[in-house]
Amino acid sequence: EAQVTQNPRYLITVTGKKLTVTCSQNMNHEYMSWYRQDPGLGLRQIYYSMNVEVTDKGDVPEGYKVSRKEKRNFPLILESPSPNQTSLYFCASSSRGGYYEQFFGPGTRLTVL
Amino acid sequence: GQQVMQIPQYQHVQEGEDFTTYCNSSTTLSNIQWYKQRPGGHPVFLIQLVKSGEVKKQKRLTFQFGEAKKNSSLHITATQTTDVGTYFCAGPGDNNDMRFGAGTRLTVKP
Repeated sequence: EAQVTQNPRYLITVTGKKLTVTCSQNMNHEYMSWYRQDPGLGLRQIYYSMNVEVTDKGDVPEGYKVSRKEKRNFPLILESPSPNQTSLYFCASSSRGGYYEQFFGPGTRLTVL
Repeated sequence: GQQVMQIPQYQHVQEGEDFTTYCNSSTTLSNIQWYKQRPGGHPVFLIQLVKSGEVKKQKRLTFQFGEAKKNSSLHITATQTTDVGTYFCAGPGDNNDMRFGAGTRLTVKP
């Protein structure tokens, strides 16, 4: 089954404790991205990747890191999480960026205390 | 930078009434996509519009792309409780980034 998976689905952590949210897709998509969703603000792109070893900043990259060492995986790293990073995070992939439909993962709800 | 704006933010309708959400981009878009997110779920792709003035229909849903390729709308005829959710428009930016509108949350009273 074609899908995007994310782990963990829920995470409660404390300020400053490094964490990684994993994302994997099995559709051989070139384009992957991370979004955060906050009430009233919709989906805001954090980082995106056009292909392996190519990553670019989206709208709200501050406080986040990503890497794309393999085509299927695109982890999101929060080196020192802060409470304002409490949000719902979605990973998405598409065959070629904004010219094709985005497939979203199930989401990760992160709470930073 | 490029902005994608969407109105209204919320819409509450009686079942059977029509619903429309509007999307406006500050720049011309190569295409526009629409997504639906059910409560507690993730966004799911509905449709993509590419041509100026394009109109596409999916059963009770009608999607339009403006002549200038800067605005779009989604119209639902005779809403049903299954239409409940948040509808997002999205378009690619100049740098292959993706810009989403803030979404319109639709609730339907039976």
